[in-house]
Amino acid sequence: QKEVEQDPGPLSVPEGAIVSLNCTYSNSAFQYFMWYRQYSRKGPELLMYTYSSGNKEDGRFTAQVDKSSKYISLFIRDSQPSDSATYLCAMSLNTGNQFYFGTGTSLTVIP
Amino acid sequence: KAGVTQTPRYLIKTRGQQVTLSCSPISGHRSVSWYQQTPGQGLQFLFEYFSETQRNKGNFPGRFSGRQFSNSRSEMNVSTLELGDSALYLCASSFMGGRPLPHEQFFGPGTRLTVL
Repeated sequence: QKEVEQDPGPLSVPEGAIVSLNCTYSNSAFQYFMWYRQYSRKGPELLMYTYSSGNKEDGRFTAQVDKSSKYISLFIRDSQPSDSATYLCAMSLNTGNQFYFGTGTSLTVIP
Repeated sequence: KAGVTQTPRYLIKTRGQQVTLSCSPISGHRSVSWYQQTPGQGLQFLFEYFSETQRNKGNFPGRFSGRQFSNSRSEMNVSTLELGDSALYLCASSFMGGRPLPHEQFFGPGTRLTVL
């Protein structure tokens, strides 16, 4: 069993829709939870990160962490065609620099 | 400030050959991490170098090795290439790397390796 599981999609939504992306994990020691966005032929770029449990909002993006369920989510409000990309969740322990990534969810926002 | 650069961007090799990939981190960054990205497995951590020393290592065979130079530039080497080594190889740099402060890790565009 992989330490981080993510539905690969693909996910296709109309412009303006609310998008929900999710990951589950098995290692209860994870403390940092991140979401990256990766455009085609580019490296991942950090969207949001959260330490421990709770919610974090940044513009149209909201990240949620539920450590009791080992479940994290990213919500995108008022989705735009420019949001079309692969979204990767990532997690890390409290020390060191090793990240554990999900396989990514491919999102297409249709104008 | 220039971002992380990786060379070459694309590479085609045959089974049994060896390959060296290069990564230049953001100026001032001392930590370089390498990842392998495939559709089935996603991003998998290979290793991390900090101040010319390998500090963390993922679960990859010894055919995968790396090094870091005094200017923080890093190289990754894969010997005796196998078909399954075809992937996008990404490097990421950060200033200290001592704690996983995620906003400090920046990825390069990657090197696409195809093994025939």
